[in-house]
Amino acid sequence: EAQVTQNPRYLITVTGKKLTVTCSQNMNHEYMSWYRQDPGLGLRQIYYSMNVEVTDKGDVPEGYKVSRKEKRNFPLILESPSPNQTSLYFCASSTGLAGGSEQFFGPGTRLTVL
Amino acid sequence: DQQVKQNSPSLSVQEGRISILNCDYTNSMFDYFLWYKKYPAEGPTFLISISSIKDKNEDGRFTVFLNKSAKHLSLHIVPSQPGDSAVYFCAASPGGYQKVTFGIGTKLQVIP
Repeated sequence: EAQVTQNPRYLITVTGKKLTVTCSQNMNHEYMSWYRQDPGLGLRQIYYSMNVEVTDKGDVPEGYKVSRKEKRNFPLILESPSPNQTSLYFCASSTGLAGGSEQFFGPGTRLTVL
Repeated sequence: DQQVKQNSPSLSVQEGRISILNCDYTNSMFDYFLWYKKYPAEGPTFLISISSIKDKNEDGRFTVFLNKSAKHLSLHIVPSQPGDSAVYFCAASPGGYQKVTFGIGTKLQVIP
């Protein structure tokens, strides 16, 4: 089954404790992306990747890191989480071709930073 | 600076009637526009898209209209069904492997 998986689905942590949210897709997609969803702000792109070892900043990259060492995986790293990073996070992937290609989203990771 | 705007946070429609969701954008570099639907506790799912060379695209009950001169697009759902109740996001991109910008979403409620 074609899918995007994220782990963990729920996470409660404390300020400053490094964490990683994993994302994996099995569709051989070049393009992968991370978003956060906040009330009244919709979906905002954090980082995106066009292929292995190629990443770029989205609209809200501050406080986040990403890496793309393999085509299927695109982990999101919070080196020193803060309460304002409490949010619902989505990973997505697409072929990226022609720009209008649909993105497939993971089920989301709800992160709470105390 | 909100480059993709969905000015109606919510919309209620009777079952069987037409739902019209609107989206405005400011960036002239956007060439591709997509609509996603999101149910609670799930990730968004793709609904329909349109490129800037077209002014209309249909897929079953869903039609997207694009007015480039007005930088406006709309999603029409006819007839609306209770299962259409969800949050709808408008998204735009310049194309290729580039950044995608989403609106804040419109919550649609279809009343049986």
